[in-house]
Amino acid sequence: EVQLVESGGGLVQPGGSLRLSCAASGFTVKTYYMAWVRQAAGKGLEWVSVIYSDGNTYYADSVRDRFTINRDNSKNTVFLQMSSLRVEDAAVYFCASSLGGALIDIWGQGTMVNVSS
Amino acid sequence: QTVVTQEPSLTVSPGGTVTLTCASSTGAVTIAHYPNWFQQRPGQPPMPLIYSTNIKHSWTPARFSGSLLGGKTALTLSDVQPEDEADYYCLLYYGRGQLVFGGGTKLTVL
Repeated sequence: EVQLVESGGGLVQPGGSLRLSCAASGFTVKTYYMAWVRQAAGKGLEWVSVIYSDGNTYYADSVRDRFTINRDNSKNTVFLQMSSLRVEDAAVYFCASSLGGALIDIWGQGTMVNVSS
Repeated sequence: QTVVTQEPSLTVSPGGTVTLTCASSTGAVTIAHYPNWFQQRPGQPPMPLIYSTNIKHSWTPARFSGSLLGGKTALTLSDVQPEDEADYYCLLYYGRGQLVFGGGTKLTVL
């Protein structure tokens, strides 16, 4: 079964760091592009970052230079390293991928990040 | 900064038809944006409905359809069911890995 499971969310103070993980099963992360999408409470979806099969990475303007996406092929896991966190980064972070022709056709259940003092 | 605009809310009667649209601040939406549509119910991750403008996923009900309409991309729901009440999001591709979601449409079935 194709599945994405996020972990690593929690409460962090402004200016702090957190690393999110996305463990994939049923497919290999190095073969497909993997993305992070976030959703603040009561708000819409916001694309955050993507890593392509060739290793190229891209970021939304709101997180560029603060967040880093990478993957560990041996663990079949994608990570989102978040630093210099701001209150406005608080959200549910979803891991997502495309295994077919869609931009995104599979989603994880999400992990919640709270940024507060 | 690119902005993708959707109707904030729409209301439709059961059995009716409704069209949700998605516009780009950069100009007309085209097939090169690979328009995708998602449905999201409270507390759930988004569920993919449509990709590449008008292609349904295997799980997408036949009453959902996608199109390009007057410089926008559109999602049309026919014979609307009570369970279609949800938030709907479009997603567009702008090259160099950049993806942008629309602000979402809250669809009420009343």
